[in-house]
Amino acid sequence: GENVEQHPSTLSVQEGDSAVIKCTYSDSASNYFPWYKQELGKRPQLIIDIRSNVGEKKDQRIAVTLNKTAKHFSLHITETQPEDSAVYFCAASPLDFGNEKLTFGTGTRLTIIP
Amino acid sequence: EAGVTQFPSHSVIEKGQTVTLRCDPISGHDNLYWYRRVMGKEIKFLLHFVKESKQDESGMPNNRFLAERTGGTYSTLKVQPAELEDSGVYFCASSHATGGVYGYTFGSGTRLTVV
Repeated sequence: GENVEQHPSTLSVQEGDSAVIKCTYSDSASNYFPWYKQELGKRPQLIIDIRSNVGEKKDQRIAVTLNKTAKHFSLHITETQPEDSAVYFCAASPLDFGNEKLTFGTGTRLTIIP
Repeated sequence: EAGVTQFPSHSVIEKGQTVTLRCDPISGHDNLYWYRRVMGKEIKFLLHFVKESKQDESGMPNNRFLAERTGGTYSTLKVQPAELEDSGVYFCASSHATGGVYGYTFGSGTRLTVV
């Protein structure tokens, strides 16, 4: 089955700096890679996702890059703000009909230092 | 639209007791998923319902866990008898029939503590 590794487990950055979280996956059949943000006591929320037919996707201060050959993908947050503090999870899925589960990484606790 | 609702939000039970978690998906969502996060680890898939049918239950840890979705609306996850290692946060998610992983909306989770 799929295995997703996520690093680092904790990350502290100064407000205004950039943050990068990296994930690797094992199953070459995976072709959908979402990122979820979970604030304290709240539900995980999708912030950005990428499919394997693109290498990069951007949404304002958030971007995701994908290297299918190396089987890794990364989340980039620029100009970080205090409200970016949360736990971030990467995930992977093969997107096969009937096999729609997500395999998650272990999460990264991001702390933005004012 | 109303979100995915889970209750209770917290539950503390003794080892050997029974606990039932409930998930109300977004109305009209055929797909319902259960996940679990044990302290500090990944969010792990437990099972997937399509309407009232179990599509995939490969993630269920053992036969102490029983999930149901009678009538294809809300779902319950029963743990009987609970063990210490069952502690964690149990998440439910739902999506449209054709949404699959794209349309996941998670609930806020039930934090289960077995003492």
